[in-house]
Amino acid sequence: SQQGEEDPQALSIQEGENATMNCSYKTSINNLQWYRQNSGRGLVHLILIRSNEREKHSGRLRVTLDTSKKSSSLLITASRAADTASYFCATDPSGGYQKVTFGTGTKLQVIP
Amino acid sequence: DTAVSQTPKYLVTQMGNDKSIKCEQNLGHDTMYWYKQDSKKFLKIMFSYNNKELIINETVPNRFSPKSPDKAHLNLHINSLELGDSAVYFCASSLPAKNIQYFGAGTRLSVL
Repeated sequence: SQQGEEDPQALSIQEGENATMNCSYKTSINNLQWYRQNSGRGLVHLILIRSNEREKHSGRLRVTLDTSKKSSSLLITASRAADTASYFCATDPSGGYQKVTFGTGTKLQVIP
Repeated sequence: DTAVSQTPKYLVTQMGNDKSIKCEQNLGHDTMYWYKQDSKKFLKIMFSYNNKELIINETVPNRFSPKSPDKAHLNLHINSLELGDSAVYFCASSLPAKNIQYFGAGTRLSVL
């Protein structure tokens, strides 16, 4: 299975601190995506990084991708209580009809 | 307008019953999915349809039968419900080019 594994499983930080989550996967990918899931809600897409990119930014989010190590990290800077959620990486082996495979998730708690 | 809507939001039923979950998307996407999220938040794809055609069918008991009357709708019918079917079921849709998933709010199924 190409399922990603995320580390840590849970993370608790103070508001204003940075949060870093890591994702490792097993096979070659075309892109890697990060999603957020608030409690009791569906997943929401945050950012996509292509296999030929090494870093991408979106607001307070910074994603890195190291295809040689088959790993990615998501950094949330200056965290807010509203960032409390579970975060999932998802790997896409190709475009078209190939399935996106989700990681095991990191549960982030930001304490006000 | 909700992009991906699924009904019902909650479903509580007895073992052995048959139930259906409906999903509709107004994003104009060609591809729709059903995912199952278990109590540990592990998200697993069950089925995917592209323009009413089944393209992904994971190892799912044949008690689960998806139906896509048109590309904007994907329903899930479950026969002879079992305790292990208790989970949150998510519908999602995507465009093939990037495979970014747009999720519904989920249906929490509890089998008693």
